[in-house]
Amino acid sequence: AQRVTQPEKLLSVFKGAPVELKCNYSYSGSPELFWYVQYSRQRLQLLLRHISRESIKGFTADLNKGETSFHLKKPFAQEEDSAMYYCALRGTDKLIFGTGTRLQVFP
Amino acid sequence: GAGVSQSPSNKVTEKGKDVELRCDPISGHTALYWYRQSLGQGLEFLIYFQGNSAPDKSGLPSDRFSAERTGGSVSTLTIQRTQQEDSAVYLCASIIQATSGGLYNEQFFGPGTRLTVL
Repeated sequence: AQRVTQPEKLLSVFKGAPVELKCNYSYSGSPELFWYVQYSRQRLQLLLRHISRESIKGFTADLNKGETSFHLKKPFAQEEDSAMYYCALRGTDKLIFGTGTRLQVFP
Repeated sequence: GAGVSQSPSNKVTEKGKDVELRCDPISGHTALYWYRQSLGQGLEFLIYFQGNSAPDKSGLPSDRFSAERTGGSVSTLTIQRTQQEDSAVYLCASIIQATSGGLYNEQFFGPGTRLTVL
């Protein structure tokens, strides 16, 4: 079965601390994985995708096929990173989203 | 041009009433998705339209839910005989097409409709 698991509903850190938002997936095949983000009062939007191997707003995510994980990381959190983060797996022409993790960054 | 729009932004209804939620996708986008966003459930896929193909309705939670996409553009999600558990934010997203070069394209989301069933 295709599934995305985000074990943490809420992650709270202080500004400047490292952040890791966990995402594990279940998929038989070569997965495509994404992180979407929703800031307060804004629309859900794409943050990054594993294919691009890019760093967006200081965030990176590495696909680990052995551990079936796609954790989102940032070495130094900023207050403006506070948002809801969703990990997503490509299914058949649609995305399968996790339940999301709310990141709170305190000053 | 303008992004995905949804109306109404908020809808309060009484249990048992029918509601219609509207989505205007980005012009030229061939694929349209409906999701339900609720606390603890994350983002649940409801239905997917791609061009003139039969829609993928595999995510609709019950036969009280239905959706149409007229003329390959505007979509309406209808919930009949609403129940309190239908209260959620309903999101619409569109893509120019599902894939390009074998890779899945970015979904562009609307602002959502917050449905409250009393």
